[in-house]
Amino acid sequence: DAMVIQNPRYQVTQFGKPVTLSCSQTLNHNVMYWYQQKSSQAPKLLFHYYDKDFNNEADTPDNFQSRRPNTSFCFLDIRSPGLGDAAMYLCATSRDTGTGGNEQFFGPGTRLTVL
Amino acid sequence: GQNIDQPTEMTATEGAIVQINCTYQTSGFNGLFWYQQHAGEAPTFLSYNVLDGLEEKGRFSSFLSRSKGYSYLLLKELQMKDSASYLCAATDSNYQLIWGAGTKLIIKP
Repeated sequence: DAMVIQNPRYQVTQFGKPVTLSCSQTLNHNVMYWYQQKSSQAPKLLFHYYDKDFNNEADTPDNFQSRRPNTSFCFLDIRSPGLGDAAMYLCATSRDTGTGGNEQFFGPGTRLTVL
Repeated sequence: GQNIDQPTEMTATEGAIVQINCTYQTSGFNGLFWYQQHAGEAPTFLSYNVLDGLEEKGRFSSFLSRSKGYSYLLLKELQMKDSASYLCAATDSNYQLIWGAGTKLIIKP
């Protein structure tokens, strides 16, 4: 089945210790997104890629970086996690960004705990 | 600014009908999505409306009024498994999704 896969599902890290979250997709979609979602809040868009064209949201902290080495994979790097970065991180894909193609498909998420 | 408003929480009874409202203000508009999110899980797509009117899909229906900046999700014949958060997201002129914080729906027997 075509899908969006995130690894790991649960990640525990120490304050200040870099961590990388991964996402892969078998949908062959052009667009990949990274969201941060805290409890009872809306998903907050961190980045998105249209193919290899990187788009950083204006209020995404410099502590967050992203890489998309190929169509299928995308990585989220948190260089120095703080306690406030504990959240669910959601990867999503869409075929396109325009009407008719911008339905987003989500992976299961990675829940990050910072000790 | 861009904004989505939806109730924080609603309670309904198994077998009943519930309507979850959403109002939006965006820079341009290119459609509205409803997603379902169970606790600790990722959102899953329910519906997409870009034209005014009602879209029906089984027990779930979604309505859009572009002139009023308003949408609702209607859930019929509620089941316990429908207990979840329901997220409204509007697409702006750049096709970015502006997300609401979600409405937590509690179903009681």
